[in-house]
Amino acid sequence: DAGVIQSPRHEVTEMGQEVTLRCKPISGHNSLFWYRQTMMRGLELLIYFNNNVPIDDSGMPEDRFSAKMPNASFSTLKIQPSEPRDSAVYFCASSPDSGRNEQFFGPGTRLTVL
Amino acid sequence: AQSVTQLDSQVPVFEEAPVELRCNYSSSVSVYLFWYVQYPNQGLQLLLKYLSGSTLVKGINGFEAEFNKSQTSFHLRKPSVHISDTAEYFCAVTRGNTDKLIFGTGTRLQVFP
Repeated sequence: DAGVIQSPRHEVTEMGQEVTLRCKPISGHNSLFWYRQTMMRGLELLIYFNNNVPIDDSGMPEDRFSAKMPNASFSTLKIQPSEPRDSAVYFCASSPDSGRNEQFFGPGTRLTVL
Repeated sequence: AQSVTQLDSQVPVFEEAPVELRCNYSSSVSVYLFWYVQYPNQGLQLLLKYLSGSTLVKGINGFEAEFNKSQTSFHLRKPSVHISDTAEYFCAVTRGNTDKLIFGTGTRLQVFP
């Protein structure tokens, strides 16, 4: 089992550019979560999906952020346009189901917006 | 609404000493509780979880936690820490199968030789 796969691991971009982060959850897991981690705000849940359907996107900071899950094995988090304050580590996690079960985290994508 | 409070942002301790990382939660319904660990430049991984049954839960790497319903606490303990235990530790709570996981702000454990 390869675990949750995220790409890229590091991304450096300039303000105003579009950024797309990718996640492949563990096969068979029904729930997928996107988190953002910064020193100032800690770990924040941005959005989560269950069976490819967005369940709660209340953590998405603003319209510049969007997330999709076109199928059970792939999800994207897009920021357009990016801003320096978006600099953070973005984690994807998957779970056999939300709630009781363990969430398995990917290694994260470190995003730097200049 | 649920919330999680980790009372200590940093805990320094010498190697082989015992340690306790504190976690309190608030919820009006039954909850499931978790402790995750994050080593530098890595994602989070599960240390242990309480779903039901025995209130003393044992996890990986010699850690254990005790669920105390009356005090709404789920403190993490280890009798003797190693340098390799240096990491960030997160307490988390959820109500049930369709609810999201609420994380605390984390406690940085620093183990000194």
